[in-house]
Amino acid sequence: GDSVTQMEGPVTLSEEAFLTINCTYTATGYPSLFWYVQYPGEGLQLLLKATKADDKGSNKGFEATYRKETTSFHLEKGSVQVSDSAVYFCALSDRESGYSTLTFGKGTMLLVSP
Amino acid sequence: NAGVTQTPKFQVLKTGQSMTLQCAQDMNHNSMYWYRQDPGMGLRLIYYSASEGTTDKGEVPNGYNVSRLNKREFSLRLESAAPSQTSVYFCASSEFRSVMNSPLHFGNGTRLTVT
Repeated sequence: GDSVTQMEGPVTLSEEAFLTINCTYTATGYPSLFWYVQYPGEGLQLLLKATKADDKGSNKGFEATYRKETTSFHLEKGSVQVSDSAVYFCALSDRESGYSTLTFGKGTMLLVSP
Repeated sequence: NAGVTQTPKFQVLKTGQSMTLQCAQDMNHNSMYWYRQDPGMGLRLIYYSASEGTTDKGEVPNGYNVSRLNKREFSLRLESAAPSQTSVYFCASSEFRSVMNSPLHFGNGTRLTVT
């Protein structure tokens, strides 16, 4: 079955540091890949997505590139802010589910200090 | 614009009790979902409804039932609660069946404790 593996957290950074959160996946066929973010006390919201190999998703300064050869979709940001503190979830959807459901990773907590 | 509304926000049950978690969306979305979030486990799909009148099992459906009451509402029922069902429950909706083209919109969650 499908699965998503994320790096363990928490990731603790100082403001303006560079961020990388690793995500790798196992899936049949060619999945679509997503990053969702959960701010404290809230539900998840879509951050960015990529639907085919070599696509780069981007939003709010975050980027991730769909790498089919390494089955990865790592999240990066050049300069984090305190307001980026949240839990980040990598997810996929594929043909097996008719692209109708998401399989999530375990989430990675990011803590940014001033 | 309320989005996805879940009630209640918190609930404590004793083992064996039953309850229904309510979810309603005001975005005219076709698909709705129930997930549970546990520490170290991420989000796992319990049930989903791709469209009004249909429901399907997700990864962890045992011990739960759902009802898609109408296009707006999708409820999750625990008939006989167990401590293993202690979790945070999230309802979500999406405009279309395909999550590739329509992102999931989540509610703020229901924190359930079963003692």
